[in-house]
Amino acid sequence: GQNIDQPTEMTATEGAIVQINCTYQTSGFNGLFWYQQHAGEAPTFLSYNVLDGLEEKGRFSSFLSRSKGYSYLLLKELQMKDSASYLCAVRDPTGGSYIPTFGRGTSLIVHP
Amino acid sequence: DAEITQSPRHKITETGRQVTLACHQTWNHNNMFWYRQDLGHGLRLIHYSYGVQDTNKGEVSDGYSVSRSNTEDLPLTLESAASSQTSVYFCASSEGVLSTDTQYFGPGTRLTVL
Repeated sequence: GQNIDQPTEMTATEGAIVQINCTYQTSGFNGLFWYQQHAGEAPTFLSYNVLDGLEEKGRFSSFLSRSKGYSYLLLKELQMKDSASYLCAVRDPTGGSYIPTFGRGTSLIVHP
Repeated sequence: DAEITQSPRHKITETGRQVTLACHQTWNHNNMFWYRQDLGHGLRLIHYSYGVQDTNKGEVSDGYSVSRSNTEDLPLTLESAASSQTSVYFCASSEGVLSTDTQYFGPGTRLTVL
């Protein structure tokens, strides 16, 4: 089976840094995705990690530790437009499916 | 520009009626997916297809069906709508299922079953 955990909600201040954690327990592992979803809109791709370490893309970075079943998304220099849900999704090839399973998402509220 | 569209964007129907939600992509992607999103549950996979004439059940497929007659379209049918199927439905597509292949999501359909 698969278990993916994220905090339900987080708040942060404009200009600050926030770290959104994702832990997973899966039979196998073939990559972890982060998506951003603004209210009433479609999820959009942010990052992909398959090897341990940090991937940086502008203000957003994503980290993976496969041995710990742990990832985080780091958002720097927060802006009001970063208020959104952030979805962690894990790909587990056990059973032959390569379709990612999504966590419940973390709602981030950025206030002035 | 390539895109993925869904129609209708909003739908209200009655219990017991058959409903079909459309999904159309111009990415020429082989893979297409249907998800539902509910508070407290995140995105859950309903059905998916790896190509024309291929369909597979996902985690929450009961009460839903799909068909894939061409590359561009994967319509989702609720055979007899139930109030428990009130949800937001997202269609997605991807080029492949390996490595960094990401999913591109449509804008969603909000379905209310009364």
